[in-house]
Amino acid sequence: AAGVIQSPRHLIKEKRETATLKCYPIPRHDTVYWYQQGPGQDPQFLISFYEKMQSDKGSIPDRFSAQQFSDYHSELNMSSLELGDSALYFCASRAGTGYYEQYFGPGTRLTVT
Amino acid sequence: GENVEQHPSTLSVQEGDSAVIKCTYSDSASNYFPWYKQELGKRPQLIIDIRSNVGEKKDQRIAVTLNKTAKHFSLHITETQPEDSAVYFCAASKSDFGNEKLTFGTGTRLTIIP
Repeated sequence: AAGVIQSPRHLIKEKRETATLKCYPIPRHDTVYWYQQGPGQDPQFLISFYEKMQSDKGSIPDRFSAQQFSDYHSELNMSSLELGDSALYFCASRAGTGYYEQYFGPGTRLTVT
Repeated sequence: GENVEQHPSTLSVQEGDSAVIKCTYSDSASNYFPWYKQELGKRPQLIIDIRSNVGEKKDQRIAVTLNKTAKHFSLHITETQPEDSAVYFCAASKSDFGNEKLTFGTGTRLTIIP
């Protein structure tokens, strides 16, 4: 079965640079969630989208922005990167209203040097 | 907001024995409780979940129980195998629109001793 796709899988950036992470949800899933997981920590919710509209917002820095496009893929844009932004970034998708399960992509490992 | 506590943080059991991980949640409006297994550097993998209208759910060697009154839920793994070694996260969420984000517990590192 098709799964959530994320790209790139690994990304190395320097401080103050920008990064764009992409997420392609499972086909026919209309809801996308972004989570950040630091080393040894649990995933923390950043932001979510339903039918191309932001549906919820968590502890996402103002330096980050995200959107969901007409084909339901989502991009997380990160600017003025800081060392503390180094983490695993996961995207998860859900089938929509009436469905509860969130399925995670393989993640993007971002390293800021 | 929701707060999920998870215990223990580490757990070692002999192969073939059972393992139990417990979580408590704070928001009585939460109604969906999944469990994820995560191997090092990999994605969280949904292994079992339970909704608030059910008290127990079982899938082969794993089971989850929910006590809504006490606001706690538990993961039970029987006949443990070396491949069960991983970090396990419990989570809680609500089903109403705009509130489905998962709030995770802090994780349990399970080690199965051969």
